[in-house]
Parts: sequence; structure tokens; C-alpha cells
Amino acid sequence: QQQVKQSPQSLIVQKGGISIINCAYENTAFDYFPWYQQFPGKGPALLIAIRPDVSEKKEGRFTISFNKSAKQFSLHIMDSQPGDSATYFCAASETGGYNKLIFGAGTRLAVHP
Amino acid sequence: NAGVTQTPKFQVLKTGQSMTLQCAQDMNHNSMYWYRQDPGMGLRLIYYSASEGTTDKGEVPNGYNVSRLNKREFSLRLESAAPSQTSVYFCAIVRDGAYEQYFGPGTRLTVT
Repeated sequence: QQQVKQSPQSLIVQKGGISIINCAYENTAFDYFPWYQQFPGKGPALLIAIRPDVSEKKEGRFTISFNKSAKQFSLHIMDSQPGDSATYFCAASETGGYNKLIFGAGTRLAVHP
Repeated sequence: NAGVTQTPKFQVLKTGQSMTLQCAQDMNHNSMYWYRQDPGMGLRLIYYSASEGTTDKGEVPNGYNVSRLNKREFSLRLESAAPSQTSVYFCAIVRDGAYEQYFGPGTRLTVT
């Protein structure tokens, strides 16, 4: 049972455009929602994370939007750059349950110059 | 990689062979995790350890054992490797008092 569904599987964006990746979750006990960026041959790197007490969090060009009632959250990458080309994973966890992350299947982003 | 080291980086095993993947942190944080990453499936939790001497199963524990003999190290053992265990294995830590998980560089394992 996939508890975190991520879409799209792949995404092509032109340089300067906005990249949007969406995730939906099922378990209402989840209360921590991070996004990871992974380059080929490397481990996932934490990009940005949000708790459900806020609807949006922004760090530089990266923004998480969170909709608790719809059980959805999304990553927006503004002014996308070729260096942003990577695989992005959303995840969710219950911080009171040993913080075991449940990951989405990943989105491969390609930013064309 | 946030002070998380994994050895080896690459390994090829024959079906039925055994091996241990090592993970070490350069701090003394309590929580450590083992995940596997397969194409199209994201990362899945194999085992985790909330503190030294304690371990518990994650989503996909079958075929694996773990050991947390001290705070710094968390090892993952394959007693009898199977081709289905071909994957990239990542260790992660959580700093005490925080939520963020930080991952090591990974071990790429192929079982033939």
C-alpha cells in the first residue's frame, strides 16, 4: 500500500520556468513532510520541510505548499536552473512514531537551457 | 553527507553469500535508519534504531538483520543474499531533538 503518492514521474522544464511536483498522503497522523533532492550516485539531501501548522514555507527558490484538508503538498521550484536537474522525493512521517519516513516514488526533473 | 559514512561503496555478491553493510556517524545521535532504494519505488525503510542496543523493523525487513552495538555504528547484515536484494542501501541519522533525517552516500549492492 503506497501511503505517499508522487506525481509526475518525470518533468521537463525550460530554464527560468517553474517546476511543480505534487504529493498526496493517506495517513492523517503524518505531521512532518520533507522534500529531498538526489543527484546520480549520491544520497538524498534534505531540501526543505514543513509541519502541518503552516500552509506554505519558502526557502530561496524552493517553496512547499501544504493543504491539510486535501492531504496534499507540493514543491515549487521558481526560476528553475539546469543545476536543479535531479530526482526529487517527497516523504512523510509521524514525528511521534520514531520519525520513520515514507517516501514517494520520485520525480526526475530535467531543466533544459 | 552530514557526518554519515557507509562502507563498502560497491559490492557484488553471488546468491547465498553473506555480507555486512556498515554505517557510522561522527556524532553520538540516538536515531539511525537503514533504507533501500529501488528504481521507481523511492526509498523504503528496512530497520531503524532509536537508541544504542535497540532495533525495530521497518517496511521491508525480511532477509535482513541489524546490529546497534554502540551509538556510532549501525550495521545491516544479509545472511543469504538473493537477487531481489540488489539495490542501493542508504543509512540515515536524525540529530537528537530534531526531525530532519540526513543520509549517507549509499552502498550499491548487486546480487547475481
